[in-house]
Amino acid sequence: DTEVTQTPKHLVMGMTNKKSLKCEQHMGHRAMYWYKQKAKKPPELMFVYSYEKLSINESVPSRFSPECPNSSLLNLHLHALQPEDSALYLCASSQEGGLSPLHFGNGTRLTVT
Amino acid sequence: GENVEQHPSTLSVQEGDSAVIKCTYSDSASNYFPWYKQELGKRPQLIIDIRSNVGEKKDQRIAVTLNKTAKHFSLHITETQPEDSAVYFCAAIRGGLTGGGNKLTFGTGTQLKVEL
Repeated sequence: DTEVTQTPKHLVMGMTNKKSLKCEQHMGHRAMYWYKQKAKKPPELMFVYSYEKLSINESVPSRFSPECPNSSLLNLHLHALQPEDSALYLCASSQEGGLSPLHFGNGTRLTVT
Repeated sequence: GENVEQHPSTLSVQEGDSAVIKCTYSDSASNYFPWYKQELGKRPQLIIDIRSNVGEKKDQRIAVTLNKTAKHFSLHITETQPEDSAVYFCAAIRGGLTGGGNKLTFGTGTQLKVEL
């Protein structure tokens, strides 16, 4: 069982669609992350939220828009994506300010057609 | 920024043999080194981690060693089993800072295959 839950598990969207990925954790973690992972590659950091504020944006295109409504929730809004954006999108959370690991959700498998 | 190199990219062993995966890092200020196992189609899962004030840590069949001087750390799996087959990622971070989250730098991954 994972303590970080992501929905949906799979998503197929056209290049003109708008969709959102959702992530929830109840471990009391104050840092939350979005990663993108292509097949056989390591996860690539996209965004980091710390205490519900965006602290890191790894030069991600504006067609990806993160949102952190509260300390337990993290969203990733998608608009006008390209086929090369197809990937596994992983959410993670961690304690803030300590030497602590990231806990990953099961991910959303996104296909852009 | 931090750069983490990982070798080998693929590793095949016979069941019962040992497997060793090696990583080097560039930032001498990095002080926390987790290892993740990712099975096909699943999420990365933490299997063991080590802090820079420790040279070795063991958990049953899995151990990690750290050489701060040489800036490298290794994962050792003994008595390998078919269920150990997965991709393994090392990572490094300069942690303990308040604010900004923990920006892990991952290695490129090792595909481990345990053959019967």
